Amino acid sequence: SAVISQKPSRDICQRGTSLTIQCQVDSQVTMMFWYRQQPGQSLTLIATANQGSEATYESGFVIDKFPISRPNLTFSTLTVSNMSPEDSSIYLCSVPGSGGTEAFFGQGTRLTVV
Amino acid sequence: AQKVTQAQTEISVVEKEDVTLDCVYETRDTTYYLFWYKQPPSGELVFLIRRNSFDEQNEISGRYSWNFQKSTSSFNFTITASQVVDSAVYFCAARSTDSNYQLIWGAGTKLIIKP
Repeated sequence: SAVISQKPSRDICQRGTSLTIQCQVDSQVTMMFWYRQQPGQSLTLIATANQGSEATYESGFVIDKFPISRPNLTFSTLTVSNMSPEDSSIYLCSVPGSGGTEAFFGQGTRLTVV
Repeated sequence: AQKVTQAQTEISVVEKEDVTLDCVYETRDTTYYLFWYKQPPSGELVFLIRRNSFDEQNEISGRYSWNFQKSTSSFNFTITASQVVDSAVYFCAARSTDSNYQLIWGAGTKLIIKP
């Protein structure tokens, strides 16, 4: 299984500000995924981050609001921009396992916007 | 298109009781994967099991067991002799073997184990 380090683990932010979440993997992976989990809800895929190309965003998510960087095969960042209380969620990064079947997740970032 | 249904929103049992979490999936794919994940209160998602669509063997791991039945499109998860540490939200998920690793998630079942 992959070891994924996600930072910060939690944060409380003021509305209108931005937060950048980092995800570091202990092995090289082609694809990294960013999810949002709103309170009491299931996971929703925000985007797929591929190294060397633009991230692919799911319906309802836009690059201006959730810019993603993928500078190399072990690291990615997700920025939540111009935050509002509706952005309060757990944000999780994920990578496929070495067998390419199951997905592994970082510890999550619990974001509260006040 | 795929869909995963976890009809049980919340289950509460007393410690040492057995509990089964239901998962029903819909898919037109001929080959697919099914998964169970555990999310404790700390928030991280812990992978529990993967099942391939062509392998209907049930699996047991300690107090955990999984019953996969293609005839009823179900992939149920049973915890035997539950413990307080089993309290968490459990998610069932699916994906096509052809998909770009994208998972279809159930809504999750919150399991509360009372001492």
